[in-house]
Amino acid sequence: EPEVTQTPSHQVTQMGQEVILRCVPISNHLYFYWYRQILGQKVEFLVSFYNNEISEKSEIFDDQFSVERPDGSNFTLKIRSTKLEDSAMYFCASRLIGTGGLETQYFGPGTRLLVL
Amino acid sequence: KQEVTQIPAALSVPEGENLVLNCSFTDSAIYNLQWFRQDPGKGLTSLLLIQSSQREQTSGRLNASLDKSSGRSTLYIAASQPGDSATYLCAPYGNKLVFGAGTILRVKS
Repeated sequence: EPEVTQTPSHQVTQMGQEVILRCVPISNHLYFYWYRQILGQKVEFLVSFYNNEISEKSEIFDDQFSVERPDGSNFTLKIRSTKLEDSAMYFCASRLIGTGGLETQYFGPGTRLLVL
Repeated sequence: KQEVTQIPAALSVPEGENLVLNCSFTDSAIYNLQWFRQDPGKGLTSLLLIQSSQREQTSGRLNASLDKSSGRSTLYIAASQPGDSATYLCAPYGNKLVFGAGTILRVKS
């Protein structure tokens, strides 16, 4: 069964460093998302991406964050200068395109980011 | 702004019990609602998607209902098993998924 994959599974970085989290969505999906979950808290929406541009972003998704689809398969989240509060599990998700968002979003296993 | 509340926050039941998890949301302008399962330290597994035009959706021992106008959904788990132990998350979808805090379920053998 097709699945969303994410790399790396864990990443430890120093405050102020740049990190890139990678995702390979399901191959025929066209709508992509990033969510994050700080330990012990709710899963929060960060950004949605369709047709090579951001569809929507949350207030969390400030200028330190960017997303890109550099080729036909990868979808990346870059954090330019990490802060301690960026430590979280980051989830990528994808879905098919249809009418009114009726399709299931499929989530990857996540990347656990720890900023020291 | 969509707010999602899940009750109870935690539930511990003996194996074999039928149980109901509750989800309420404040903005009824949704396309669908998904129920997810999350195991500790793991990703999110989609259990059921119920479209806004539907009242119920079933998958195996799971049954989800949706009352969009009142902003409520329930997840019914029949004949619970220890393997059902996990956190269950409800997430209505308007233009993004908004998650509740989840119900932590423990099924004792």
